[in-house]
Amino acid sequence: DSGVTQTPKHLITATGQRVTLRCSPRSGDLSVYWYQQSLDQGLQFLIQYYNGEERAKGNILERFSAQQFPDLHSELNLSSLELGDSALYFCASSVGGPGSGNTIYFGEGSWLTVV
Amino acid sequence: QQQVKQSPQSLIVQKGGISIINCAYENTAFDYFPWYQQFPGKGPALLIAIRPDVSEKKEGRFTISFNKSAKQFSLHIMDSQPGDSATYFCAAGYNDMRFGAGTRLTVKP
Repeated sequence: DSGVTQTPKHLITATGQRVTLRCSPRSGDLSVYWYQQSLDQGLQFLIQYYNGEERAKGNILERFSAQQFPDLHSELNLSSLELGDSALYFCASSVGGPGSGNTIYFGEGSWLTVV
Repeated sequence: QQQVKQSPQSLIVQKGGISIINCAYENTAFDYFPWYQQFPGKGPALLIAIRPDVSEKKEGRFTISFNKSAKQFSLHIMDSQPGDSATYFCAAGYNDMRFGAGTRLTVKP
């Protein structure tokens, strides 16, 4: 158990809908990262927050948004869902930013299926 | 926006053999190079990591070789075991962490 908690574990929704994925980082970790993993697509970096502020942004679509709250938990909001958004979404956390060599710890992921 | 290129995509090795996975990066600002291991249905977990000030790091059967001038690094798994069968990701980080596409390793008994 990495200490990173993600909910829900599985989610099935229809195209055009909106969903929210939730993440609680490890105790003491200030950074939260979101990654998308599709079949044969590897881990695509979406966005990183550090202590409530956006720190880095990757291939995140405009239909997606995220935030980190004062208690450090984070939410990833996915709207106007398309079939291609079906993927495993990982949240990860670290004490600081990876530039200082902090290990990133991953949650178990949230499986999103768009039908 | 693939800043880390990983090869091969899949690898089949006999038990006891050496598994070698290679990665190349583009951004010279990267200063932390971890390898992650992912089993089906699980999140990736840190396996071993290296900083660019050393050329090699060994932990048990796992070794990272790092070539700063070539901007390449590799994972060597010695005496590969069926339990090593998993997907391996290289990554490179500075302010954020970028991952390679992954290598699916199968170790045949």
